[in-house]
Amino acid sequence: AQTVTQSQPEMSVQEAETVTLSCTYDTSESDYYLFWYKQPPSRQMILVIRQEAYKQQNATENRFSVNFQKAAKSFSLKISDSQLGDAAMYFCAYEGGNTGNQFYFGTGTSLTVIP
Amino acid sequence: DVKVTQSSRYLVKRTGEKVFLECVQDMDHENMFWYRQDPGLGLRLIYFSYDVKMKEKGDIPEGYSVSREKKERFSLILESASTNQTSMYLCASSRLPQGSNTEAFFGQGTRLTVV
Repeated sequence: AQTVTQSQPEMSVQEAETVTLSCTYDTSESDYYLFWYKQPPSRQMILVIRQEAYKQQNATENRFSVNFQKAAKSFSLKISDSQLGDAAMYFCAYEGGNTGNQFYFGTGTSLTVIP
Repeated sequence: DVKVTQSSRYLVKRTGEKVFLECVQDMDHENMFWYRQDPGLGLRLIYFSYDVKMKEKGDIPEGYSVSREKKERFSLILESASTNQTSMYLCASSRLPQGSNTEAFFGQGTRLTVV
């Protein structure tokens, strides 16, 4: 099984500030996908952003961006201009072509946004 | 919109009961997954299926079985429920990766309590 590690169980950020959530992973594959999912209190998992490993350019979706360091096997999520609605559990996930299209998840980071 | 629907949001069962958790997706996805979510442990894969009648064990299959008789439906079965199976269960589906178009879509989760 692939390993996805999120070393920050909890993070907090002031409203309108920027926060970075960390994720590292372990793989021997060269072609794979990485994701950040958000799980608010409603429990519905929502895709925030995805990155293909063969693309060097970091993915961006509005206030959300990633810092993908392939050699370091690092995939951090930056949330800019944090809003109260960003408060949730965030999961980093990996999907590799040789793993039967399985999605492997980290243990999650609980983000609190302080008004 | 892709929809993954789980039959129950909350379920309370007695020890030793046979429990069925149902999941239906409406996007003709090949892959379907059952995860278990516990605090501090993230999402752990129980079983997944990449085709009708096909199934593969995930990381924690003990005490569970699955059934996929139709492409849109994936059932998780607890043969004899035990208190250590009290957890949140998440169903997900995805299509086979096609370029950058890959993503896991989740149901709303079933919180199962075994008493």
